[in-house]
Amino acid sequence: DTEVTQTPKHLVMGMTNKKSLKCEQHMGHRAMYWYKQKAKKPPELMFVYSYEKLSINESVPSRFSPECPNSSLLNLHLHALQPEDSALYLCASSRAGTELGNTIYFGEGSWLTVV
Amino acid sequence: SQQGEEDPQALSIQEGENATMNCSYKTSINNLQWYRQNSGRGLVHLILIRSNEREKHSGRLRVTLDTSKKSSSLLITASRAADTASYFCATDYNTNAGKSTFGDGTTLTVKP
Repeated sequence: DTEVTQTPKHLVMGMTNKKSLKCEQHMGHRAMYWYKQKAKKPPELMFVYSYEKLSINESVPSRFSPECPNSSLLNLHLHALQPEDSALYLCASSRAGTELGNTIYFGEGSWLTVV
Repeated sequence: SQQGEEDPQALSIQEGENATMNCSYKTSINNLQWYRQNSGRGLVHLILIRSNEREKHSGRLRVTLDTSKKSSSLLITASRAADTASYFCATDYNTNAGKSTFGDGTTLTVKP
């Protein structure tokens, strides 16, 4: 069982809706990540937070807005999404940066469908 | 793109056989990790190998790293039907520290 918890597991939203994906970990990890994964494709990095500060933004459109309220929580706010944004959104965490050889622990993901 | 490439894209074997998957990458790395993903689920970490290591074992898994060829392989011995999944390598490059980049993955099917 993963120690990274994501909610909701499934989300269907219209293109004008505002919704949020939530992620929580209690492993004391200080790096947290959002990945996007389309069917039969590898995960693609979206954002990295390190010590609650945004350290990497992979040129993600502004309709995706990350937030790290504290060291255990990571949110992804969604607004005015497009149907092509439908995907599995994976949250992950690691003790510190992966350059130090830290393992990334993934949640089970949130399936997002934009209609 | 610095994304790693894996081959084969798909592999189908009988239970009890060994499965070998390969990952190639383009530039110097800090480390390389292998993950498994069951259909529609999150990724599970299998094994990490650092750039100064050449081989690691974990149970039925054996990972090798050849930095001169910029490649790694994952060997699963005595495969089981439960090993059916997609397997990804993820590389942390020196030039993009902190960004684990995933390869395209190998889909393994183990037939009972």
